[in-house]
Amino acid sequence: QKEVEQNSGPLSVPEGAIASLNCTYSDRGSQSFFWYRQYSGKSPELIMFIYSNGDKEDGRFTAQLNKASQYVSLLIRDSQPSDSATYLCAVNRNDYKLSFGAGTTVTVRA
Amino acid sequence: DTAVSQTPKYLVTQMGNDKSIKCEQNLGHDTMYWYKQDSKKFLKIMFSYNNKELIINETVPNRFSPKSPDKAHLNLHINSLELGDSAVYFCASSQENTNEQYFGPGTRLTVT
Repeated sequence: QKEVEQNSGPLSVPEGAIASLNCTYSDRGSQSFFWYRQYSGKSPELIMFIYSNGDKEDGRFTAQLNKASQYVSLLIRDSQPSDSATYLCAVNRNDYKLSFGAGTTVTVRA
Repeated sequence: DTAVSQTPKYLVTQMGNDKSIKCEQNLGHDTMYWYKQDSKKFLKIMFSYNNKELIINETVPNRFSPKSPDKAHLNLHINSLELGDSAVYFCASSQENTNEQYFGPGTRLTVT
């Protein structure tokens, strides 16, 4: 079983819609959860982090964490073509090591 | 600009050669990392240094040797390059009491 699993996609959504990305993790000791956005040919960019169960909102992004079910999700509201990228979920046990999922590719159709 | 920077951006070399990649951060962070991203885009930790001390050393061939001359710099030296070493190598940094890691622009290594 992979440590962090994501649907690879591609996830195609129309402009203005909500994109919903899911991530599950295997280590129940995980404490910190991150979402990175990676444009093609570029480096991963940290867009959200969440440490506690529940929702965390930042602009058009909402991260949701459910430690009991071992999943973390990212919602992108009012999706824009500029949101087209690969989104990487990363999980940490507070030991410096981030475990990344393989990423979900999102395409926003104009 | 405050950032994580890497040199070179592209590196093309032949099998058997030795090469180095350099990383510098001016964010005042205590911890630096090297990641490898393969052709399937999977990002995997290789090494991490905290205040110049090695704290993560994943199962990486010992042809790869990191060196941290100070908190702001982390270099990666690779001996006897192989075709399978072709990948994008990312440097990252974080503050000691968080795990919010910030990535450099990457070095695309091609071994021919």
